[in-house]
Amino acid sequence: EDKVVQSPLSLVVHEGDTVTLNCSYEVTNFRSLLWYKQEKKAPTFLFMLTSSGIEKKSGRLSSILDKKELFSILNITATQTGDSAVYLCAVEGYNDMRFGAGTRLTVKP
Amino acid sequence: DAGITQSPRHKVTETGTPVTLRCHQTENHRYMYWYRQDPGHGLRLIHYSYGVKDTDKGEVSDGYSVSRSKTEDFLLTLESATSSQTSVYFCAISEERQRVAFFGQGTRLTVV
Repeated sequence: EDKVVQSPLSLVVHEGDTVTLNCSYEVTNFRSLLWYKQEKKAPTFLFMLTSSGIEKKSGRLSSILDKKELFSILNITATQTGDSAVYLCAVEGYNDMRFGAGTRLTVKP
Repeated sequence: DAGITQSPRHKVTETGTPVTLRCHQTENHRYMYWYRQDPGHGLRLIHYSYGVKDTDKGEVSDGYSVSRSKTEDFLLTLESATSSQTSVYFCAISEERQRVAFFGQGTRLTVV
């Protein structure tokens, strides 16, 4: 059965720290991997990754995919309190989109 | 924000009653989805639609039905609500299949 596992489940850091969030997957007929940020309400789209080794970057956030080892990481540098959220990883297969349970990041001042 | 509106935003209902949640979009996206989000499970797909009157089941479709009579509206119906259907429900839209980009604000449903 297809599955997506995120780690850690929760993380507490202080402002200025760098964090790495992990997403591993087993999905039939992989098409893409997506990262979302969920604050109190709707998840908002961050990145879509389809090719191994190509880093996607947006400000202090970056992500990379390894299709051989079946995982992705999301890096956040110089964290701010506004980065506090649940980060969701989703993997698109041929017939389905599977989400991980999320990593809850808390950034303390 | 993408033009997705869910209604109602909160609802409390009794076990055994029918409930309909509405999702309305103004983006003219072809694909629409209903997900539920529960602690420890992330988002799970209930049903999706790939056009007017074209729908298909997702991972957790039992106990739910959907309808799409217009491009902009996608309805989720719980025929006879159960306590296990207490959850937060999200509607989502995309231009391409499964490449979900935009979510609604969610509906918190409590079945007592």
